[in-house]
Amino acid sequence: KQEVTQIPAALSVPEGENLVLNCSFTDSAIYNLQWFRQDPGKGLTSLLLIQSSQREQTSGRLNASLDKSSGRSTLYIAASQPGDSATYLCAVREGNAGKSTFGDGTTLTVKP
Amino acid sequence: DAGVIQSPRHEVTEMGQEVTLRCKPISGHDYLFWYRQTMMRGLELLIYFNNNVPIDDSGMPEDRFSAKMPNASFSTLKIQPSEPRDSAVYFCASIRGISGNTIYFGEGSWLTVV
Repeated sequence: KQEVTQIPAALSVPEGENLVLNCSFTDSAIYNLQWFRQDPGKGLTSLLLIQSSQREQTSGRLNASLDKSSGRSTLYIAASQPGDSATYLCAVREGNAGKSTFGDGTTLTVKP
Repeated sequence: DAGVIQSPRHEVTEMGQEVTLRCKPISGHDYLFWYRQTMMRGLELLIYFNNNVPIDDSGMPEDRFSAKMPNASFSTLKIQPSEPRDSAVYFCASIRGISGNTIYFGEGSWLTVV
């Protein structure tokens, strides 16, 4: 059974700092890995999708990497802003199955 | 497209009552997922459908929970009878294809059972 772990569970940083969120998974037979953002009281919004054959994806100040062999992914946020405060979740979509397994998320607070 | 649409957005009901949550996936998406989110257990997959057929319902907690997808544009998740421990946010999500595409979530249905 796939298990997804995110560390740390919570993170507080001053505005402008660069930061890294971590995601690890136990079964490397995945189709893709996706990072989501969730604001309080809202649904999940997709940030980046990395295919199993890719190493990284970038969107603006966000960069996600994937090391499938070691079962790890990182989400790098450059020059953090208060508007980045949210919970960030990673999800792996499993090979030969349609479902995705989610981590518990990292709650990020960026202080002005 | 309007995205994944869920209703109701909020529901408060008494223990023992039947609860029906509704979802309209994005047109053209052939996979539909029902997730439940709580502080204690995070985001859990309850059931998912492919082309309206239930593929994996191993996450459905009890027989009190049932889900249907009568057509490509509509799905329901029913709880009967409801219990206080069912209080959670229930998300519906959809995606097109087996790989390579983004999964889209609805805004969720916030259920409180008193």
